[in-house]
Amino acid sequence: GEDVEQSLFLSVREGDSSVINCTYTDSSSTYLYWYKQEPGAGLQLLTYIFSNMDMKQDQRLTVLLNKKDKHLSLRIADTQTGDSAIYFCANTGNQFYFGTGTSLTVIP
Amino acid sequence: DAGITQSPRYKITETGRQVTLMCHQTWSHSYMFWYRQDLGHGLRLIYYSAAADITDKGEVPDGYVVSRSKTENFPLTLESATRSQTSVYFCASSDQGWGNQPQHFGDGTRLSIL
Repeated sequence: GEDVEQSLFLSVREGDSSVINCTYTDSSSTYLYWYKQEPGAGLQLLTYIFSNMDMKQDQRLTVLLNKKDKHLSLRIADTQTGDSAIYFCANTGNQFYFGTGTSLTVIP
Repeated sequence: DAGITQSPRYKITETGRQVTLMCHQTWSHSYMFWYRQDLGHGLRLIYYSAAADITDKGEVPDGYVVSRSKTENFPLTLESATRSQTSVYFCASSDQGWGNQPQHFGDGTRLSIL
């Protein structure tokens, strides 16, 4: 089956950029997604990228997709304390496959 | 407000008991999903439904039963709860099938089985 990998933890200082990485194995997907999970809450759709795009920018968020290496990344510019959360990437072959999630801690 | 709601938010029960987790969505989405979230595993799909009266197994269906008599409701039942089913359960819905539309999640049910 599909294997979606993420590192478990990331710490950054407030105001710096955060980069959260994701690798996947199934390249048949149409869309790849990023979700954010705040403590005690469900997953909230953050952004997505169509599989024929290399980059998508949405305010402070930049998504990069390297199809050759099957690598997806999420860059958060000017990271704020409110960005502290768990971030999940999701590949969507024949179903949604979620990564293990990356816990982002923003240090004031 | 429109959205997807799960109940209860928290549940403690004992091994061997039956427990049902409820999920209700107001968007009239065709697809509904149940996931469990465990540390180190991310989200794993338990069951999904493409429409009323149509359900199918996901990655980890053993020990769970679902039904979907109405489009808006998708209850998940643990027929005889085991400690390994202690987890956070999320319900999600989507307007279309896999991948073409995002999934929208409820706030989860935190289930502890003693």
